[in-house]
Amino acid sequence: GDSVTQMEGPVTLSEEAFLTINCTYTATGYPSLFWYVQYPGEGLQLLLKATKADDKGSNKGFEATYRKETTSFHLEKGSVQVSDSAVYFCALSDRTGGFKTIFGAGTRLFVKA
Amino acid sequence: DTAVSQTPKYLVTQMGNDKSIKCEQNLGHDTMYWYKQDSKKFLKIMFSYNNKELIINETVPNRFSPKSPDKAHLNLHINSLELGDSAVYFCASSQESGNTIYFGEGSWLTVV
Repeated sequence: GDSVTQMEGPVTLSEEAFLTINCTYTATGYPSLFWYVQYPGEGLQLLLKATKADDKGSNKGFEATYRKETTSFHLEKGSVQVSDSAVYFCALSDRTGGFKTIFGAGTRLFVKA
Repeated sequence: DTAVSQTPKYLVTQMGNDKSIKCEQNLGHDTMYWYKQDSKKFLKIMFSYNNKELIINETVPNRFSPKSPDKAHLNLHINSLELGDSAVYFCASSQESGNTIYFGEGSWLTVV
C-alpha cells in the first residue's frame, strides 16, 4: 500500500540556518504530495503542495519539488526563523488508493534564537 | 469565522464515561474526517464521510461512533472511555477526497 517516510526528529537549528526535512513515498499511481505544518496547540494547516512530477510547491519561504525518479518531496527553507518551530508532516493522496490521504510520522523542528 | 470548528477544546473525564465531540465546517466541503493524534504526534485517520455517507472506517473500536446529520457536521461519540483513548482528536474537511484537508484546532481528551 501507499506510504510516506520522513526523517525522524527532532531537528534543532539556529536562526537563519538552512533547513531540509527529507520525505520519500511509495505509491502505486501518481499521487499528489503535500506538506502540512502544525504549530503548538493548533491543528495542521497546508504549507505547500505539488500535483505532478517536477512541480515545485512554495509558500512562506519553504519549497519542495516533486521528484518522481527518486520518489521524494523534500522540504527546504534557506533561512529559518524561531517562528518556524513546529511539527511538519509530509503527505500523499493517490487516486489508486481511493484518494485517502496518507500522512508521514511528522518531524518536529526547534529553531533557537 | 472559523472554517472547521470543534467543541469542546479540552475534555477531562473518567474511565467508563461516554462523551461526544462536535464538529462543524462552513467551507461547503463534501468530505469530513476524524483523525486521532497520539502523544508522539502520529496522526491516524479514524473515519471519513462524503455527503453524509461513511467512506472510510479504519480499524477503530466500535466504542467510537461517528454521526453526520448533514454534510456540514460530523460528530464523534465515544462510549466506555478507556485510558488509551487519551489523545488529541482532529476534525477536518476537504472538497472531495484527496484534496487539501482543512483541520480544526483539535479536542484534547484526557481519560483519568
